[in-house]
Amino acid sequence: AAGVIQSPRHLIKEKRETATLKCYPIPRHDTVYWYQQGPGQDPQFLISFYEKMQSDKGSIPDRFSAQQFSDYHSELNMSSLELGDSALYFCASSSELQGTHEQYFGPGTRLTVT
Amino acid sequence: AQTVTQSQPEMSVQEAETVTLSCTYDTSESNYYLFWYKQPPSRQMILVIRQEAYKQQNATENRFSVNFQKAAKSFSLKISDSQLGDTAMYFCAFMKRDSNYQLIWGAGTKLIIKP
Repeated sequence: AAGVIQSPRHLIKEKRETATLKCYPIPRHDTVYWYQQGPGQDPQFLISFYEKMQSDKGSIPDRFSAQQFSDYHSELNMSSLELGDSALYFCASSSELQGTHEQYFGPGTRLTVT
Repeated sequence: AQTVTQSQPEMSVQEAETVTLSCTYDTSESNYYLFWYKQPPSRQMILVIRQEAYKQQNATENRFSVNFQKAAKSFSLKISDSQLGDTAMYFCAFMKRDSNYQLIWGAGTKLIIKP
């Protein structure tokens, strides 16, 4: 079965640079979530989209923005990167239409800021 | 606000043994979901099992089962016949129903299966 795809899998950036992470949800899933997981921590919810509209916002810094496109893929844009942004960034998708609300996670993008 | 507590930072058992991971949560909601996710060393986050709060029957997925005690707000995960591949971090997560469906996570339990 198709899974959530994230690209790139690894990304190294310098402080103050910009990064763009991409997420391709499972086909026919209409909701996308972004999470940030620091080393040894549980995931922290950043933002979610349902049918291309932002549905909820968590602890996402103002330096970050995200959107969901017409093909349901989503991008997380991160600007003015800081050392503390180094983390594993997960995208998850679910189907509100199916009503199960199970979130399936991609493999994550490991971002390292130097 | 909802909170999820996993009181066991780390556990280890011998292969083929049964192990139970504990999770408690605090909420004033009556409609919600509970999940267990597994995160092996690869750090892929894998859904293990799901429980709907309105269902009294405990969920089961092969060797994985839960003991859901709604009144006690307890949601433990039992792994039977543990295998080396079960070595991972296990996260308990809460989701409020009919809302934004954001997952609220516990701190995780590191489970080590010894050969």
